[in-house]
Amino acid sequence: AQSVAQPEDQVNVAEGNPLTVKCTYSVSGNPYLFWYVQYPNRGLQFLLKYITGDNLVKGSYGFEAEFNKSQTSFHLKKPSALVSDSALYFCAVRALRDNFNKFYFGSGTKLNVKP
Amino acid sequence: EAQVTQNPRYLITVTGKKLTVTCSQNMNHEYMSWYRQDPGLGLRQIYYSMNVEVTDKGDVPEGYKVSRKEKRNFPLILESPSPNQTSLYFCASRPGQTNTGELFFGEGSRLTVL
Repeated sequence: AQSVAQPEDQVNVAEGNPLTVKCTYSVSGNPYLFWYVQYPNRGLQFLLKYITGDNLVKGSYGFEAEFNKSQTSFHLKKPSALVSDSALYFCAVRALRDNFNKFYFGSGTKLNVKP
Repeated sequence: EAQVTQNPRYLITVTGKKLTVTCSQNMNHEYMSWYRQDPGLGLRQIYYSMNVEVTDKGDVPEGYKVSRKEKRNFPLILESPSPNQTSLYFCASRPGQTNTGELFFGEGSRLTVL
Protein backbone atom coordinates (compact mmCIF):
# COMPACT_ATOMS: atom_id res chain seq x y z
CA ALA A 1 0.00 0.00 0.00
CA GLN A 2 1.11 3.53 -0.71
CA SER A 3 1.85 5.62 2.36
CA VAL A 4 3.72 8.61 3.72
CA ALA A 5 4.97 8.88 7.29
CA GLN A 6 5.96 11.94 9.23
CA PRO A 7 7.24 10.42 12.48
CA GLU A 8 7.23 13.64 14.50
CA ASP A 9 4.01 15.42 15.38
CA GLN A 10 5.99 18.44 16.50
CA VAL A 11 9.49 19.81 16.07
CA ASN A 12 10.87 22.55 18.30
CA VAL A 13 13.92 24.56 17.30
CA ALA A 14 15.51 27.84 18.35
CA GLU A 15 15.69 30.69 15.88
CA GLY A 16 18.96 30.61 13.97
CA ASN A 17 19.47 26.88 14.44
CA PRO A 18 19.15 24.37 11.60
CA LEU A 19 15.88 22.50 11.30
CA THR A 20 14.88 19.12 9.91
CA VAL A 21 11.37 17.80 9.37
CA LYS A 22 11.35 14.10 8.56
CA CYS A 23 9.40 12.21 5.94
CA THR A 24 9.53 8.61 4.78
CA TYR A 25 7.42 7.01 2.11
CA SER A 26 6.34 3.66 0.75
CA VAL A 27 5.17 3.55 -2.86
CA SER A 28 5.56 1.26 -5.80
CA GLY A 29 7.42 2.68 -8.75
CA ASN A 30 9.26 5.97 -8.89
CA PRO A 31 7.72 8.61 -6.65
CA TYR A 32 7.25 12.29 -7.12
CA LEU A 33 7.80 13.92 -3.71
CA PHE A 34 6.51 17.24 -2.41
CA TRP A 35 6.58 19.46 0.65
CA TYR A 36 3.82 21.87 1.54
CA VAL A 37 3.45 24.42 4.33
CA GLN A 38 0.22 25.49 5.99
CA TYR A 39 -0.06 28.69 8.01
CA PRO A 40 -3.02 29.16 10.38
CA ASN A 41 -6.36 29.57 8.59
CA ARG A 42 -4.71 29.23 5.20
CA GLY A 43 -4.52 26.63 2.47
CA LEU A 44 -1.45 24.53 1.74
CA GLN A 45 1.36 26.29 -0.08
CA PHE A 46 3.85 24.46 -2.25
CA LEU A 47 7.47 24.57 -1.03
CA LEU A 48 9.45 22.22 -3.25
CA LYS A 49 9.37 18.95 -5.14
CA TYR A 50 11.60 16.11 -6.28
CA ILE A 51 10.88 14.60 -9.68
CA THR A 52 14.23 13.32 -10.92
CA GLY A 53 17.90 14.31 -11.04
CA ASP A 54 19.86 15.91 -8.21
CA ASN A 55 18.87 14.43 -4.86
CA LEU A 56 19.07 17.83 -3.15
CA VAL A 57 16.28 20.15 -4.19
CA LYS A 58 15.91 23.77 -3.21
CA GLY A 59 12.60 25.52 -2.75
CA SER A 60 10.87 28.58 -1.42
CA TYR A 61 11.86 30.56 1.69
CA GLY A 62 15.32 28.96 1.92
CA PHE A 63 14.05 25.42 2.40
CA GLU A 64 15.65 22.40 0.81
CA ALA A 65 15.03 18.67 0.89
CA GLU A 66 17.14 15.61 0.25
CA PHE A 67 15.81 12.59 -1.57
CA ASN A 68 17.33 9.33 -0.34
CA LYS A 69 16.15 6.39 -2.39
CA SER A 70 17.77 3.68 -0.26
CA GLN A 71 16.17 5.01 2.91
CA THR A 72 12.95 6.03 1.12
CA SER A 73 13.15 9.42 2.79
CA PHE A 74 12.63 13.02 1.78
CA HIS A 75 13.54 15.16 4.78
CA LEU A 76 12.93 18.90 4.74
CA LYS A 77 15.77 21.11 5.95
CA LYS A 78 16.71 24.71 6.49
CA PRO A 79 20.16 25.91 7.65
CA SER A 80 18.85 28.71 9.88
CA ALA A 81 15.28 28.74 11.20
CA LEU A 82 13.15 31.86 11.49
CA VAL A 83 10.26 32.46 13.88
CA SER A 84 8.12 33.04 10.78
CA ASP A 85 8.81 29.42 9.70
CA SER A 86 6.49 28.25 12.49
CA ALA A 87 3.69 26.40 10.70
CA LEU A 88 2.34 22.96 9.84
CA TYR A 89 4.36 21.05 7.25
CA PHE A 90 3.08 18.24 5.07
CA CYS A 91 5.03 15.76 3.03
CA ALA A 92 3.26 14.26 0.01
CA VAL A 93 4.04 11.63 -2.57
CA ARG A 94 2.47 11.12 -5.94
CA ALA A 95 2.65 7.51 -7.02
CA LEU A 96 3.38 6.73 -10.63
CA ARG A 97 1.80 3.29 -10.72
CA ASP A 98 -1.52 1.83 -9.70
CA ASN A 99 -3.50 4.98 -9.05
CA PHE A 100 -1.53 7.37 -11.23
CA ASN A 101 -3.37 10.48 -10.23
CA LYS A 102 -3.18 10.16 -6.50
CA PHE A 103 -1.34 12.23 -3.95
CA TYR A 104 -0.71 10.68 -0.54
CA PHE A 105 -0.15 13.06 2.35
CA GLY A 106 1.58 12.56 5.67
CA SER A 107 -0.16 13.47 8.91
CA GLY A 108 1.74 16.74 9.22
CA THR A 109 4.47 18.07 11.51
CA LYS A 110 4.04 21.23 13.51
CA LEU A 111 7.22 23.28 13.51
CA ASN A 112 7.73 25.67 16.42
CA VAL A 113 10.60 28.12 16.12
CA LYS A 114 11.28 29.96 19.34
CA PRO A 115 12.99 33.36 19.47
CA GLU B 1 -4.02 36.05 -10.20
CA ALA B 2 -3.95 32.26 -10.42
CA GLN B 3 -6.09 30.85 -7.66
CA VAL B 4 -8.46 28.22 -6.36
CA THR B 5 -11.51 29.77 -4.71
CA GLN B 6 -13.72 27.97 -2.22
CA ASN B 7 -17.00 29.10 -0.70
CA PRO B 8 -18.11 29.31 1.98
CA ARG B 9 -14.98 29.60 4.12
CA TYR B 10 -16.91 28.85 7.29
CA LEU B 11 -20.24 27.11 7.73
CA ILE B 12 -22.24 25.78 10.65
CA THR B 13 -25.17 23.58 9.77
CA VAL B 14 -27.39 20.90 11.27
CA THR B 15 -27.60 17.20 10.63
CA GLY B 16 -29.45 16.33 7.45
CA LYS B 17 -29.51 19.77 5.84
CA LYS B 18 -28.06 19.50 2.35
CA LEU B 19 -25.17 21.77 1.57
CA THR B 20 -22.76 22.49 -1.27
CA VAL B 21 -19.21 23.78 -1.04
CA THR B 22 -18.17 25.41 -4.29
CA CYS B 23 -14.71 25.31 -5.81
CA SER B 24 -13.51 27.24 -8.81
CA GLN B 25 -10.06 27.52 -10.42
CA ASN B 26 -8.91 29.99 -13.07
CA MET B 27 -5.81 28.12 -14.27
CA ASN B 28 -7.51 25.88 -16.85
CA HIS B 29 -6.43 22.80 -14.91
CA GLU B 30 -7.78 19.44 -15.95
CA TYR B 31 -7.37 17.76 -12.57
CA MET B 32 -9.31 18.79 -9.47
CA SER B 33 -9.69 17.12 -6.11
CA TRP B 34 -11.31 17.45 -2.70
CA TYR B 35 -9.61 16.66 0.60
CA ARG B 36 -10.60 16.75 4.22
CA GLN B 37 -8.12 17.58 6.94
CA ASP B 38 -8.55 16.18 10.41
CA PRO B 39 -6.07 16.43 13.31
CA GLY B 40 -3.50 13.65 13.28
CA LEU B 41 -4.79 12.25 9.99
CA GLY B 42 -3.36 14.71 7.52
CA LEU B 43 -5.25 15.18 4.27
CA ARG B 44 -7.46 12.46 2.96
CA GLN B 45 -8.82 12.48 -0.55
CA ILE B 46 -12.59 12.48 -0.94
CA TYR B 47 -13.12 12.63 -4.70
CA TYR B 48 -11.14 13.68 -7.71
CA SER B 49 -11.78 14.56 -11.33
CA MET B 50 -9.43 14.11 -14.25
CA ASN B 51 -11.51 16.28 -16.56
CA VAL B 52 -15.05 17.41 -17.35
CA GLU B 53 -17.60 14.64 -16.66
CA VAL B 54 -14.85 12.34 -15.30
CA THR B 55 -14.89 11.80 -11.54
CA ASP B 56 -13.71 9.04 -9.23
CA LYS B 57 -13.71 8.15 -5.56
CA GLY B 58 -10.80 8.87 -3.28
CA ASP B 59 -10.16 7.28 0.10
CA VAL B 60 -13.14 8.63 2.03
CA PRO B 61 -16.03 9.21 -0.42
CA GLU B 62 -18.90 8.06 1.81
CA GLY B 63 -21.48 10.78 2.39
CA TYR B 64 -20.20 13.03 -0.39
CA LYS B 65 -21.03 13.68 -4.03
CA VAL B 66 -19.29 15.73 -6.68
CA SER B 67 -19.91 16.88 -10.21
CA ARG B 68 -17.71 18.30 -12.95
CA LYS B 69 -19.91 19.91 -15.58
CA GLU B 70 -17.43 22.65 -16.36
CA LYS B 71 -13.66 22.57 -16.31
CA ARG B 72 -13.28 25.37 -13.80
CA ASN B 73 -15.83 24.21 -11.19
CA PHE B 74 -15.86 21.18 -8.92
CA PRO B 75 -18.53 21.47 -6.20
CA LEU B 76 -18.64 19.16 -3.19
CA ILE B 77 -22.14 18.13 -2.14
CA LEU B 78 -23.17 16.78 1.25
CA GLU B 79 -26.69 15.43 0.71
CA SER B 80 -27.37 14.68 4.38
CA PRO B 81 -24.52 15.96 6.55
CA SER B 82 -23.67 14.20 9.78
CA PRO B 83 -21.47 15.31 12.71
CA ASN B 84 -18.60 13.06 11.57
CA GLN B 85 -18.32 15.28 8.51
CA THR B 86 -17.27 18.18 10.67
CA SER B 87 -13.87 18.97 9.22
CA LEU B 88 -11.68 21.36 7.25
CA TYR B 89 -12.13 20.86 3.52
CA PHE B 90 -9.70 21.76 0.77
CA CYS B 91 -10.16 21.89 -2.97
CA ALA B 92 -7.05 21.54 -5.13
CA SER B 93 -6.18 21.53 -8.81
CA ARG B 94 -3.25 20.90 -11.11
CA PRO B 95 -2.58 20.48 -14.81
CA GLY B 96 -3.38 17.17 -16.52
CA GLN B 97 -2.42 13.61 -15.84
CA THR B 98 1.02 13.57 -17.40
CA ASN B 99 2.19 16.75 -15.76
CA THR B 100 4.72 16.56 -12.93
CA GLY B 101 3.29 19.62 -11.29
CA GLU B 102 2.21 20.28 -7.78
CA LEU B 103 -1.30 20.77 -6.48
CA PHE B 104 -2.68 24.28 -6.00
CA PHE B 105 -4.94 24.57 -2.96
CA GLY B 106 -7.83 26.76 -2.01
CA GLU B 107 -7.96 28.53 1.35
CA GLY B 108 -10.15 25.89 2.93
CA SER B 109 -13.76 25.60 4.12
CA ARG B 110 -14.35 24.86 7.79
CA LEU B 111 -17.58 22.94 8.21
CA THR B 112 -19.31 22.22 11.50
CA VAL B 113 -22.29 19.85 11.54
CA LEU B 114 -24.37 19.98 14.73
